[in-house]
Amino acid sequence: AQTIHQWPVAEIKAVGSPLSLGCTIKGKSSPNLYWYWQATGGTLQQLFYSITVGQVESVVQLNLSASRPKDDQFILSTEKLLLSHSGFYLCAWSLRANSDYTFGSGTRLLVI
Amino acid sequence: GQQVQQSPASLVLQEGENAELQCNFSSTATRLQWFYQHPGGRLVSLFYNPSGTKHTGRLTSTTVTNERRSSLHISSSQTTDSGTYFCAIVSNTNTGKLTFGDGTVLTVKP
Repeated sequence: AQTIHQWPVAEIKAVGSPLSLGCTIKGKSSPNLYWYWQATGGTLQQLFYSITVGQVESVVQLNLSASRPKDDQFILSTEKLLLSHSGFYLCAWSLRANSDYTFGSGTRLLVI
Repeated sequence: GQQVQQSPASLVLQEGENAELQCNFSSTATRLQWFYQHPGGRLVSLFYNPSGTKHTGRLTSTTVTNERRSSLHISSSQTTDSGTYFCAIVSNTNTGKLTFGDGTVLTVKP
């Protein structure tokens, strides 16, 4: 069975500090991977997508970056956090760009 | 661009009542998915339903693609159904971008 794991579960970070969020998918070869962000009380917005190792495309510019160092790993990071980065970050996978999606359990980030 | 509109924005029910959630989208969608978000944040897929009717337990999803609408029916609601329900469509088949509606916040009271 496929599993998707995100870490950490939650973070409280200071403005200007670095951030690294991780996502691992097991049991599925070469999935499409996505990062989504949700402001508190808001809807979900796609940030990045990746269809293969080493290739990541940005959808929205939020002073964040993403990388896919391995087939089953997706990393979201920034060197300097902003207050506006607070929210809920979700990783997701799908077999193809237009098939159904499975989301991870998310990372809640508070920037102070 | 692609838009997804959900209604109502919020809904309060007494346990045992039924609920009907609506989703309208701005152009013909090839993929539509309903999600449930737990109060703690976890997002769970309920239905992957690009067209037709699907059932699971007390939930029924009906999508009429050429009318650009989908509905989610919850029968005999329970307090554990409380949370936020999102409708989402694939708005870009190259990027796999899911465009989400603003969600319906459901509260079921005992």
